[in-house]
Amino acid sequence: AQSVAQPEDQVNVAEGNPLTVKCTYSVSGNPYLFWYVQYPNRGLQFLLKYITGDNLVKGSYGFEAEFNKSQTSFHLKKPSALVSDSALYFCAAQLGDYKLSFGAGTTVTVRA
Amino acid sequence: SQTIHQWPATLVQPVGSPLSLECTVEGTSNPNLYWYRQAAGRGLQLLFYSVGIGQISSEVPQNLSASRPQDRQFILSSKKLLLSDSGFYLCAWRLATDTQYFGPGTRLTVL
Repeated sequence: AQSVAQPEDQVNVAEGNPLTVKCTYSVSGNPYLFWYVQYPNRGLQFLLKYITGDNLVKGSYGFEAEFNKSQTSFHLKKPSALVSDSALYFCAAQLGDYKLSFGAGTTVTVRA
Repeated sequence: SQTIHQWPATLVQPVGSPLSLECTVEGTSNPNLYWYRQAAGRGLQLLFYSVGIGQISSEVPQNLSASRPQDRQFILSSKKLLLSDSGFYLCAWRLATDTQYFGPGTRLTVL
């Protein structure tokens, strides 16, 4: 079955340190991959996507993600985390023409 | 630019009452539209999606239904709410093979 996994329920980092949120996928063909962020009681905000081309994708708010086909991973990264980055992060993969498969989400807490 | 609206923002309803949540998209034509439910602030469950007026695909058999009476309007309904219908309901839109964009959500509490 095609799926997306986020192996960590929670990630805790200190402000100013690098942040990594992990995502692996099991999708046939060439995957379209996405990262979203959700703040409490808000809708999901689109951060970035990988469709094709350069394996390093840059997105909003200083985030980037690296597509690794051999490891079937699409980890989200930020070189220097901010307290305001504390939120719930979702990885997703496109299935067929219309639907997305979402991971279970990773809660990021950045301490001052 | 495109915007997506959902209303109401919050709703408290008694068990057995009807439900109608509305989602509208501005600034685009013929979008794909989606309804998701998020329970306990975590995973997203796709409930329905629509690729055109009157075309609804149901992902999970349940107490809810969806309709798309106009190109940019998507409605989620129930005739009789259950306690288990409580959650955060998110609408999303998408063009062709592009990104899905989400609305602000509706917090539904069934008592």
